[in-house]
Order: sequence, then C-alpha cells, then structure tokens
Amino acid sequence: NAGVTQTPKFRVLKTGQSMTLLCAQDMNHEYMYWYRQDPGMGLRLIHYSVGEGTTAKGEVPDGYNVSRLKKQNFLLGLESAAPSQTSVYFCASRFRDSATNEKLFFGSGTQLSVL
Amino acid sequence: RKEVEQDPGPFNVPEGATVAFNCTYSNSASQSFFWYRQDCRKEPKLLMSVYSSGNEDGRFTAQLNRASQYISLLIRDSKLSDSATYLCVVNDGGISSGSARQLTFGSGTQLTVLP
Repeated sequence: NAGVTQTPKFRVLKTGQSMTLLCAQDMNHEYMYWYRQDPGMGLRLIHYSVGEGTTAKGEVPDGYNVSRLKKQNFLLGLESAAPSQTSVYFCASRFRDSATNEKLFFGSGTQLSVL
Repeated sequence: RKEVEQDPGPFNVPEGATVAFNCTYSNSASQSFFWYRQDCRKEPKLLMSVYSSGNEDGRFTAQLNRASQYISLLIRDSKLSDSATYLCVVNDGGISSGSARQLTFGSGTQLTVLP
C-alpha cells in the first residue's frame, strides 16, 4: 500500500515554462487536494476534487489547472510558470468513514523553483 | 484576521518539559479540528483529532474551547523526537460528508526539544 505518491520531488523551471505534477493514491479515496506551502503562510488550498471527473477552485487557484480523469490520479498543471509559484506543493487525499473519523494523507511534496 | 491563527514560536524547551500550543479560529460554526505534525522538509501527518471538548493520547492532550474559539495541544514529558512544526487545522465546512473544501491550516508552531 503506497498511500499517496507525488511526482516529481524537485523541479526547476524558467518563467513561462509549463509542467504537470502528478498525484496518485491507491486508497480509493474520493476527495483529493492540491496545496502549496510557503514560509509563514501554512498550507493554502489550490484546487480540490470530490470525485472522478470533478474539480473545484480553492483559495489560490490562479495560474493553475487540474484534472481528475481517473479516481486515483489528480494532476496539477502550471501553464506558464511565474516566480510567484515557487513553493512546496503537497497533494493529499481524504479518508472519512464517520463524523468523528477523518484524516488527510499527504504525498511527500514537490519543491518547485521558478527562475 | 486570519481564519486560523497560531503562535509561530519557536518554542525551545528542555527534554521532559511540558509545553502547550494554542490555536484560535474565526468561524464559530466550525465543527471539527485537528492537530497535524510536520517534520522538516516532510509532509504533514495527523497527530490528533478533536471533535468534542478534547481528547488524550498518551503524552498528548488536545482541548477545544468553543466559547473562546480556540483549541490547544499539550505535550507532557517532551522527547527530542517531538521536535517538529505543529499545524492546527479547522474544518469550516462542518462534519457532513458533502463538505470537502474548507480545511483551513494554521501557519504552524515550531517546537524544538533540547537535550
């Protein structure tokens, strides 16, 4: 059971380049999330998905797109990278089986630098 | 005012000490609360959930004060391995299964346990 797998772990882009971050989970979770983490600001939600074929905007969606074509995969795309997108990105899936038992499982993170 | 606020620290305490962190939240309708632990350059992991007035797990005690809108985390008999950043997480969307988006993270409190 691999849990949540996130690739790549590190990437350096030039301004204007594009890339896709891949998140895969093998726990059959419906909900998946993409966060970015910047110093002093905690984790901020970029986009999320409540199931296969659905996506929705989070707190900071501008400059990013997502797709959830398969339940186990949630892709985050940067069409034209900007230095402001330099950050650590975390993918997560959510387990919930009752009102008092829920948990986020995170991938190991992607360190992205945009020059 | 931030939705979820934490004292960033750092808290530097000797081994064996008792240390407490507070987290305040702004949405009085929030229903579920969590403490996550994040080691340096790692992904966050669930430490404790807080669904009622509070709960205890070994050396860790989490408490919820709805009237004052804060949750706290108490660590007794601190170990070197407790050194990490502790993230307060609030589910503003309530505990219904349909609520996915509003898991708001605090910016974290850094703890260093000294030998």
